[in-house]
Amino acid sequence: GENVEQHPSTLSVQEGDSAVIKCTYSDSASNYFPWYKQELGKGPQLIIDIRSNVGEKKDQRIAVTLNKTAKHFSLHITETQPEDSAVYFCAASIRGNNDMRFGAGTRLTVKP
Amino acid sequence: DAMVIQNPRYQVTQFGKPVTLSCSQTLNHNVMYWYQQKSSQAPKLLFHYYDKDFNNEADTPDNFQSRRPNTSFCFLDIRSPGLGDAAMYLCATSRVTGPYEQYFGPGTRLTVT
Repeated sequence: GENVEQHPSTLSVQEGDSAVIKCTYSDSASNYFPWYKQELGKGPQLIIDIRSNVGEKKDQRIAVTLNKTAKHFSLHITETQPEDSAVYFCAASIRGNNDMRFGAGTRLTVKP
Repeated sequence: DAMVIQNPRYQVTQFGKPVTLSCSQTLNHNVMYWYQQKSSQAPKLLFHYYDKDFNNEADTPDNFQSRRPNTSFCFLDIRSPGLGDAAMYLCATSRVTGPYEQYFGPGTRLTVT
């Protein structure tokens, strides 16, 4: 089955700096890669996703890149703000398959 | 607003006392999921429903059961909770066709005493 690894487990940046979180996956058939943000005491919220026919996607300060050959994808947050502090999860799934595997999570702290 | 609702948000039960967690959705999605999330860990899929078809993960203990009486509601039953079952339980939904985003509810935090 699919195995998703996520690094780093914790990340601390200064407000205004960029943050990068990386994930690798094992199943080459995976073709849908979402990123979720989870704030304390809340459920995960989708912040951006990418499908395997696209190499990069941007939404304001957030971008995701995908390297299918290397089987890794990354989340980039620019101009970080204290409200970006949360746990971020990457995930991978196969389109048409309702089974989504999550990475272990990255706790991002943005210091003012 | 269309959403995924979980009740209660906090549940305390005694060791061995059956407990039921509830999830409802107004998104009219075909698929509903239950995840278990322990502290500082990723959500772990327990099972999901595709309409009325139940799909159990291979490593989900028999102690966990689920019911989906209609499209909108799904229940998680823990027949004999142990201390190790204390966790956040997340419900999520997705459409079958088109985008495969999963929409999560706020979760129910279960404490076992």
